[in-house]
Amino acid sequence: NAGVTQTPKFQVLKTGQSMTLQCAQDMNHEYMSWYRQDPGMGLRLIHYSVGAGITDQGEVPNGYNVSRSTTEDFPLRLLSAAPSQTSVYFCASRKHGVSSYNEQFFGPGTRLTVL
Amino acid sequence: GDSVTQMEGPVTLSEEAFLTINCTYTATGYPSLFWYVQYPGEGLQLLLKATKADDKGSNKGFEATYRKETTSFHLEKGSVQVSDSAVYFCAPYNYGQNFVFGPGTRLSVLP
Repeated sequence: NAGVTQTPKFQVLKTGQSMTLQCAQDMNHEYMSWYRQDPGMGLRLIHYSVGAGITDQGEVPNGYNVSRSTTEDFPLRLLSAAPSQTSVYFCASRKHGVSSYNEQFFGPGTRLTVL
Repeated sequence: GDSVTQMEGPVTLSEEAFLTINCTYTATGYPSLFWYVQYPGEGLQLLLKATKADDKGSNKGFEATYRKETTSFHLEKGSVQVSDSAVYFCAPYNYGQNFVFGPGTRLSVLP
């Protein structure tokens, strides 16, 4: 199993540009999510999905869109990049609704800089 | 909503020192409790977990005990190594909800 994969590892954008961060998992997990990690802020939830066709907002959703057309993929779209979106982005997945033992698996992260 | 309080870092220790990283939480219901670790340049990975009161999670020499009466889940290790240098996150999780991550505690272990 590759686990959770993310691409790209690094990205530099100019203000106003759009891009998509890719995330895929091969563990057949129903639940997938996106976090951003900023110094002193820990991880903050952006969007999440409990299955194909179902998405919901997390703590900091503004400026980001998601969709979930398959179980495996959960791309994160930045519509018009802003310097405030400079961060490290993590995708995560886990089983959903089975029990409270559900370990969450993380991808290696995408470091995004917006100039 | 649920929240986590972790001790402020960075924590700097010499090799073989004793480590404690405090974690207290507020959560509805009866959450499971997790510690995740993030090594430099990597994503988070599960370190240990406990699912009910008085359970002790352990892994790689680290331990944490679920203390329901004090809503705490402090992480301990008897003798740290340079390779333990990382950021540690405490996270309560309630069934059917989202994980809540603390701010993380950065640990630096000096040789």
